[in-house]
Amino acid sequence: QQQVKQSPQSLIVQKGGISIINCAYENTAFDYFPWYQQFPGKGPALLIAIRPDVSEKKEGRFTISFNKSAKQFSLHIMDSQPGDSATYFCAASRFGGSQGNLIFGKGTKLSVKP
Amino acid sequence: DSGVTQTPKHLITATGQRVTLRCSPRSGDLSVYWYQQSLDQGLQFLIQYYNGEERAKGNILERFSAQQFPDLHSELNLSSLELGDSALYFCASSTAGTDTQYFGPGTRLTVL
Repeated sequence: QQQVKQSPQSLIVQKGGISIINCAYENTAFDYFPWYQQFPGKGPALLIAIRPDVSEKKEGRFTISFNKSAKQFSLHIMDSQPGDSATYFCAASRFGGSQGNLIFGKGTKLSVKP
Repeated sequence: DSGVTQTPKHLITATGQRVTLRCSPRSGDLSVYWYQQSLDQGLQFLIQYYNGEERAKGNILERFSAQQFPDLHSELNLSSLELGDSALYFCASSTAGTDTQYFGPGTRLTVL
């Protein structure tokens, strides 16, 4: 049973455009929702994360939007750059990230064209 | 660089064999997590240790086992290897009281 569903599988965006990746979860006990970025040959690296008590969190060009009632959250990358080309994973966890394991979505491969 | 180290980087072995993957967490991190990444299953949690004790178990096969030593490094043991065990194995670590899990560079296991 996949507890975190991520879409789309792949995304092509022009430089300067907005990249949007969506995730939906099922378990209402989840209380920590991070996004990880992974480049080929590297381990995933935390990009930005949110707790369900806020509806939006912004860090630079990256924004998480969170809809608790719909059990959905999304990543927006503003002014997308070729260097943002990577695979992005949403995840969810109970008891925060340091006490619980992460349940990952299947990933979105983002390509930003110059 | 996350501060989490994993060895070896690559491992090629044959079916039926046993291998050991090693992970050193970030300095001071007491929690270690093991994840498996494959094309069909994605990133899946295997097991978590906290200060030497097993804390949580995920989709870890009985052929797989792990432990965390007093110096906090961890080892993942994979035995009776099958072709389907070929994957990237990641170790992550975290500090109590913070949410972030820091991932290592991974070990790519190829079973021939």
